[in-house]
Amino acid sequence: KQEVTQIPAALSVPEGENLVLNCSFTDSAIYNLQWFRQDPGKGLTSLLLIQSSQREQTSGRLNASLDKSSGRSTLYIAASQPGDSATYLCAADAGGTSYGKLTFGQGTILTVHP
Amino acid sequence: DGGITQSPKYLFRKEGQNVTLSCEQNLNHDAMYWYRQDPGQGLRLIYYSQIVNDFQKGDIAEGYSVSREKKESFPLTVTSAQKNPTAFYLCASSMTGSTEAFFGQGTRLTVV
Repeated sequence: KQEVTQIPAALSVPEGENLVLNCSFTDSAIYNLQWFRQDPGKGLTSLLLIQSSQREQTSGRLNASLDKSSGRSTLYIAASQPGDSATYLCAADAGGTSYGKLTFGQGTILTVHP
Repeated sequence: DGGITQSPKYLFRKEGQNVTLSCEQNLNHDAMYWYRQDPGQGLRLIYYSQIVNDFQKGDIAEGYSVSREKKESFPLTVTSAQKNPTAFYLCASSMTGSTEAFFGQGTRLTVV
């Protein structure tokens, strides 16, 4: 059974810092890995989707990488801003007959202070 | 605008009562999902449906039921058999063959 772990559980940084959020998964046979952002009391917003055949994806100040062999993904946020404060979740999709069924990590709570 | 609409935003349930959470999408997605989120935890899959008139149990289906009579709609009923229903419920959808998931804004259910 796939298990997804996110480290650290919480992170507090000053504005302007570059930071890395980590996600590890136990079963390397994933179809894709998706990063989400969740604001308090809100739903999830998709940030980046990395297909199993890809190594990384970029969107603005965000860059996500995927290393299936080591069971790891990282989300890099450049020049962090207070508006980046939120919970960041990663989720792995096993694909095949289970496609779309996401296994989530517990999230990293990010606080960026001015 | 295209998206996923969940209603109500807040729902209160009395002991022994069944309640139904609504999820509607106008993205023309084939697949729809229900997840439950508890404080400090990740999301756990309750039920999912990849096509109309078909649905499958997820990891924590006990005490819940669903229907998928229309492509656009995937309502979730929390039955009296669910002993600990207080949680944040999230509905999602995705295209067949593309597993980028899109989520609604959630329904917070509280037992009173």
